[in-house]
Amino acid sequence: EPEVTQTPSHQVTQMGQEVILRCVPISNHLYFYWYRQILGQKVEFLVSFYNNEISEKSEIFDDQFSVERPDGSNFTLKIRSTKLEDSAMYFCAISRGGAFFGQGTRLTVV
Amino acid sequence: QKEVEQNSGPLSVPEGAIASLNCTYSDRGSQSFFWYRQYSGKSPELIMFIYSNGDKEDGRFTAQLNKASQYVSLLIRDSQPSDSATYLCAVRDNAGNMLTFGGGTRLMVKP
Repeated sequence: EPEVTQTPSHQVTQMGQEVILRCVPISNHLYFYWYRQILGQKVEFLVSFYNNEISEKSEIFDDQFSVERPDGSNFTLKIRSTKLEDSAMYFCAISRGGAFFGQGTRLTVV
Repeated sequence: QKEVEQNSGPLSVPEGAIASLNCTYSDRGSQSFFWYRQYSGKSPELIMFIYSNGDKEDGRFTAQLNKASQYVSLLIRDSQPSDSATYLCAVRDNAGNMLTFGGGTRLMVKP
């Protein structure tokens, strides 16, 4: 049983469109992360979110990205104007010692 | 720039053998070290973590850490075909909670 559930599992979007990726933890967690993995490349840290605030972010997490916890349970990553190079697997994770990943959302930008 | 380096492989071992996976890291401030297994098209799955120099054993897996050499390894005893996957090394420093990942080593266990 994964610690977090991500939806959708696969999203295809046109370049320039906005996408929202969702993450739902199975129990209350305060610490969330988003990571991404471009096909064939390393897993890269995007952002960590603690107690409803961004605590760390990487250089990748620029102004086109945002995170929210709109209703106290769901945790979302929004990409405002997608680019071809945003195509990747996006993983939500919770922290419990190590990071425990959801099953991921495959984002394909065409 | 924090770097975590792994040999991409593939590392091929026969079933029942010991697989040895290695990882080096650049940041001396790294405090916690993690090994993940990732099957193709799936998310990383945490296998083990280690904080202190020395060995840590969990079933068929042993993690080894040498902070002076900035080196961490994972041994898999009695390798099984189901262990065939990419193994990711990740490190975390005390300044934050983010993980820096290596590129992974692909392990192939042949029956």
